Amino acid sequence: LAKTTQPISMDSYEGQEVNITCSHNNIATNDYITWYQQFPSQGPRFIIQGYKTKVTNEVASLFIPADRKSSTLSLPRVSLSDTAVYYCLVGDVSNTGKLIFGQGTTLQVKP
Amino acid sequence: DAGVTQSPTHLIKTRGQHVTLRCSPISGHKSVSWYQQVLGQGPQFIFQYYEKEERGRGNFPDRFSARQFPNYSSELNVNALLLGDSALYLCASSLIRVDNSPLHFGNGTRLTVT
Repeated sequence: LAKTTQPISMDSYEGQEVNITCSHNNIATNDYITWYQQFPSQGPRFIIQGYKTKVTNEVASLFIPADRKSSTLSLPRVSLSDTAVYYCLVGDVSNTGKLIFGQGTTLQVKP
Repeated sequence: DAGVTQSPTHLIKTRGQHVTLRCSPISGHKSVSWYQQVLGQGPQFIFQYYEKEERGRGNFPDRFSARQFPNYSSELNVNALLLGDSALYLCASSLIRVDNSPLHFGNGTRLTVT
């Protein structure tokens, strides 16, 4: 499964747009890119998933360039409640259910 | 609809004891995966079960075992507990054989080994 690299931590202020970039140079043809959010003492929560180009839902956008070697999670107008750890994962979860989590990006939103 | 439910939410055990953790997947989900999350790190994959069969196993010792029941619920068993087994144990369910359906996690069982 492809390994991912993302920043350990990021700071932002309420109302700003936050972009978290993830590198996955060894992504395979069948791999999807998935982002999860985790609050302390809770399980990770699915945010968004994509294969190529751009995906948007009610909480975030995911930008994937043509070579798929990186992806960017975009959170519009963050609030204090968006303070959490964000994980980028790549893999074909339907195959074995095995996802490799890295250390994630700890996003701190300040007032 | 109920999400993934795990029991108990917290547990304290002594070294050498055995523990059983339980998980009920989202209705309709046939796959259950187990993850261990040590404080400050991302979750690590332990097992995946689908249709009562083990479909994937992570790098964990044989002290860890699991099973899935006909109603798709699952148990994770850990024998001969070590201090290092203290962690948040997460269960996740998913539709399988559906194009990359994402995992849905429960809020975990916090296991403390003293």
